[in-house]
Order: sequence, then structure tokens, then C-alpha cells
Amino acid sequence: NAGVTQTPKFQVLKTGQSMTLQCAQDMNHNSMYWYRQDPGMGLRLIYYSASEGTTDKGEVPNGYNVSRLNKREFSLRLESAAPSQTSVYFCASSDVGSGNTIYFGEGSWLTVV
Amino acid sequence: RKEVEQDPGPFNVPEGATVAFNCTYSNSASQSFFWYRQDCRKEPKLLMSVYSSGNEDGRFTAQLNRASQYISLLIRDSKLSDSATYLCVVNKGSGGYQKVTFGTGTKLQVIP
Repeated sequence: NAGVTQTPKFQVLKTGQSMTLQCAQDMNHNSMYWYRQDPGMGLRLIYYSASEGTTDKGEVPNGYNVSRLNKREFSLRLESAAPSQTSVYFCASSDVGSGNTIYFGEGSWLTVV
Repeated sequence: RKEVEQDPGPFNVPEGATVAFNCTYSNSASQSFFWYRQDCRKEPKLLMSVYSSGNEDGRFTAQLNRASQYISLLIRDSKLSDSATYLCVVNKGSGGYQKVTFGTGTKLQVIP
């Protein structure tokens, strides 16, 4: 059971570089999310997609863009990475049909130097 | 005031002990509540939902007090494997989109 799969698991970037975090879920969920988690800050929502074809800003969207490519895939792009974006990023999905439980991917550890 | 507040701990308890965590939330319109468990360098996973009537799952009991706006998690007969961070989650949304707020977590360390 794959659930939510995100890549890469680890990445080191130089300031100013760009990269895309990929996420896919095989549970046929409508809603997908990108969170970042920093020590002492908890999980903070970057962007979400309530359903295929829609995306909305969360709590901390600055410096990020997203694409809901189809129902399965939701990618997060850093256009010009900054050291403040060093964090652990979690993709997640949920659906009414699954009891609204949020299922997370294993996380992507990103370091910007 | 934070939307969801938890004592960060750590709570260091011996095996077999009973430990309780509380979590307070500020938005009275919050609709549903959950406890998630997160192991070190892993993703959060659902531990249990929290219902108004209280609910129990083995050694774990969760309760909701809407009047005082807090939820609690009680762990009985603690095991070493219970060592983790426990996240309180509050949901203001409805339908498919979960407008959730996560607490920063309470760290539990069960000691042999």
C-alpha cells in the first residue's frame, strides 16, 4: 500500500536555486496539502488543493508555488530557494470517503545553504 | 494566543505509568478533533479521533470538553514503544477539505 509518496527524500540546494517536490497519492483522495515542519513551530500549511483543478494558499505560501497536475499528483515548487526554506516538507491527502483522516507522505528533508 | 496549544514536554515517565496530555483550542467553531502520533524523523499518523462522548482504544482514552475548549489524551500502562510526539489537531472545516490546525506536539519519553 503506497498511500502518499513524495520525492526526493533529501535535497541540498544552494541559495537561489529552484526545485520541485513531487507528491502522488493512490487513495483517490480529492484533497491534497503541502506542509512544512520546523522545530517549535508545528506543521504549517503552505498550499492546499481541495479538489482537482483548484489550489489555494495556506498559512505560509510566500516563496512557493504549487500545481495540481491531476487528481493523484500535487507538486510544490521553490522558485528561488532561501535558507529560511530549510525545513521538512510533508505532502498529505484526505477525503470524506476515508473518514477525513489526513494521510502524510514520509517527508522531504530540504537544506538550503 | 495560538489556535492550538500544547505543553511541549518532554514528559519522562516510567514503563507502566499513566500519563495525560491536554490541548487547548481557541476557536469555538472547531468541529472535529484528533490526536496524531509522530515518531522521530517520521510522518504524523492518526492515533485516534476525539468525540464529545469520549472514546477509548485499548490503553488510549481521548476526551473533548467543548465548554472549556480542550481535548485530552490519557495513556495507561505506558510502553517503551509509546515514546513519540503527540500532536493535537483541530479541524474547522467540513466536507472534503480539512481546515486543520496542528499543535506543536507533546513529547513523551517512556523510560525502562
